[in-house]
Amino acid sequence: GAGVSQSPRYKVAKRGQDVALRCDPISGHVSLFWYQQALGQGPEFLTYFQNEAQLDKSGLPSDRFFAERPEGSVSTLKIQRTQQEDSAVYLCASSLGTGAGYSNQPQHFGDGTRLSIL
Amino acid sequence: TQLLEQSPQFLSIQEGENLTVYCNSSSVFSSLQWYRQEPGEGPVLLVTVVTGGEVKKLKRLTFQFGDARKDSSLHITAAQPGDTGLYLCAGLDSNYQLIWGAGTKLIIKP
Repeated sequence: GAGVSQSPRYKVAKRGQDVALRCDPISGHVSLFWYQQALGQGPEFLTYFQNEAQLDKSGLPSDRFFAERPEGSVSTLKIQRTQQEDSAVYLCASSLGTGAGYSNQPQHFGDGTRLSIL
Repeated sequence: TQLLEQSPQFLSIQEGENLTVYCNSSSVFSSLQWYRQEPGEGPVLLVTVVTGGEVKKLKRLTFQFGDARKDSSLHITAAQPGDTGLYLCAGLDSNYQLIWGAGTKLIIKP
């Protein structure tokens, strides 16, 4: 597709269940970002990949959160033993690259996965 | 911790009015991006400002980067209901990572 695709769009899970959120970035985009967004707030950085390498995971709130991008394209964000405070919209973004040569490249966002933990 | 402060957090005005949204920081950014996000969608880039003092116009929207590259403003002239949305600023720090503001929720009433 032409844009960033995320699935599912909506996910409802019971507290304690594991969930997996998928992101399909724009073809050829080296950088991939995951964000958590509360209602009416700006995105909060979770983690960042450059190709298959996870270069920054400083924003992951706990060790229950895990992200991977094994082949440098599709990425999965997994949340284990979900808790109610995990309820949020999870946004994925991709860009051509990061670093000095790509400093003004925009991030292209998917429409997010709205996760509700009951 | 948010290093970019956006104000106001929420603004509701009548169609035809003018408004300004601010994005402030104590940090210097190499560039700053403005995004708009509509409900149920991801943010979409509006503009990138790079040079201190730079002004960019996008129809009725005017974006300015502060001389010291620590702050930015977005001015909308004659606001229309279609301008409704969450406006986000994001600054590129020295590690080439985007630092996001918390957003300004704008509602334009017809």
